[in-house]
Amino acid sequence: GAVVSQHPSRVICKSGTSVKIECRSLDFQATTMFWYRQFPKQSLMLMATSNEGSKATYEQGVEKDKFLINHASLTLSTLTVTSAHPEDSSFYICSAEGGGGAEDGYTFGSGTRLTVV
Amino acid sequence: GQQLNQSPQSMFIQEGEDVSMNCTSSSIFNTWLWYKQDPGEGPVLLIALYKAGELTSNGRLTAQFGITRKDSFLNISASIPSDVGIYFCAGLRAGNMLTFGGGTRLMVKP
Repeated sequence: GAVVSQHPSRVICKSGTSVKIECRSLDFQATTMFWYRQFPKQSLMLMATSNEGSKATYEQGVEKDKFLINHASLTLSTLTVTSAHPEDSSFYICSAEGGGGAEDGYTFGSGTRLTVV
Repeated sequence: GQQLNQSPQSMFIQEGEDVSMNCTSSSIFNTWLWYKQDPGEGPVLLIALYKAGELTSNGRLTAQFGITRKDSFLNISASIPSDVGIYFCAGLRAGNMLTFGGGTRLMVKP
C-alpha cells in the first residue's frame, strides 16, 4: 500500500529558531499533500494544502509567513515553522492521496512531535 | 465552517464487548472515512464509504453511510485490547479536503 514517510518524528528547538519537517510519498507521486496540526486530546485541524509546483493554500487563521510550505517535487513537501514559539508546540501530521484518488482515503505520515522550549 | 460531531468522546470497553460510535454533520458529504490513531502516530484508514446507505465491513469493523449523507456510524464487534486508541470519522468535502470529527477515545476498563 501507499506509504508516507515523515521526518523527524520528534524535535525540540529553542524559541526563535526555525524547524523543517519533511513529508515524502515513498511509492507514489502526490501532487497534493496536506498538513495538519493536532493538539493533545484534540482532533486534526487542517493547516494548509500543499500543491506541487505552486503556492500552498492556507486555512483561515493559519499564518503563511510563519508556516512555510514547499512542495518542490511530486514526492516531497516540507513544512518550516519559522521563529518558533512555545505555543507552536504540537503534533504535526502530513497526508497525501494514496494514488487511488481522494475517495480511497488519504495516507498519513507518522507525525512530528514539535516541542519549543 | 463544516463540522462533524462525533460521539461518544470517550468510552471504556471490556474485552469481548461490542462498541459503537457515530458522527453527524449539518452538511452533506459524498465520502465518509473512518480512521484509527494510536498514540504518537498518524491516523490509519479503517473503512471508506462512498454511497448513501452503504454498509461496509472490515473484519470486526462495520461502518454505514447514513441515507441522508449527513451521518455515519462505526461498530466494533468482540473488542480486543489492541482496539484501544482514538477513532476519527472524516468527511471528504469539496477540494478533496478532509474534515475530521472530534474523535472517540477507546480505553480498557481496569
